[in-house]
Amino acid sequence: DTAVSQTPKYLVTQMGNDKSIKCEQNLGHDTMYWYKQDSKKFLKIMFSYNNKELIINETVPNRFSPKSPDKAHLNLHINSLELGDSAVYFCASSQLGRNYGYTFGSGTRLTVV
Amino acid sequence: GQQLNQSPQSMFIQEGEDVSMNCTSSSIFNTWLWYKQDPGEGPVLLIALYKAGELTSNGRLTAQFGITRKDSFLNISASIPSDVGIYFCAGLGNMLTFGGGTRLMVKP
Repeated sequence: DTAVSQTPKYLVTQMGNDKSIKCEQNLGHDTMYWYKQDSKKFLKIMFSYNNKELIINETVPNRFSPKSPDKAHLNLHINSLELGDSAVYFCASSQLGRNYGYTFGSGTRLTVV
Repeated sequence: GQQLNQSPQSMFIQEGEDVSMNCTSSSIFNTWLWYKQDPGEGPVLLIALYKAGELTSNGRLTAQFGITRKDSFLNISASIPSDVGIYFCAGLGNMLTFGGGTRLMVKP
């Protein structure tokens, strides 16, 4: 069973389109995250949700809108895609208050053309 | 914001050699973590460190939590081809902050 699963694995789309990436975790964690990995492999946090509530928003453009229907899901919707949005997006989860680190999904490679 | 400086950025070594990489921070962390990322996959946790001065091993991997709580290092002994990948240090505060990664290449 995959602990943190995200779909799709690859996403190629044109500038200006709107797209969504879905994430689900079956670990029973209460906190989920979205990270962006750029072409230089630098990982930067975008958002964090705890029990469906937004707790971290790292100055991400408001074209990015996370949605958490329940604590096992955190989806990422991106409006008006730009070339600079091309990156690998990782979903992760953890249990708040426990320092066991985060469990990551396998990533979604987004290419905007 | 918090920054983690990880070095070296890349290493190309011969199979069987030992590897050492380190990470320094401008801030104190109470937990240090080391992750490995294989191509096309997400980071996977290798070792977690919880106490200053702590030395922890996981097979051929050994990591230490610096006394000042602002640094950590990771050693890999007797490297093998499957050690290839990107290794990330990470400090856990109110969120997980990553270093820039060390890309390891192993020549058989």
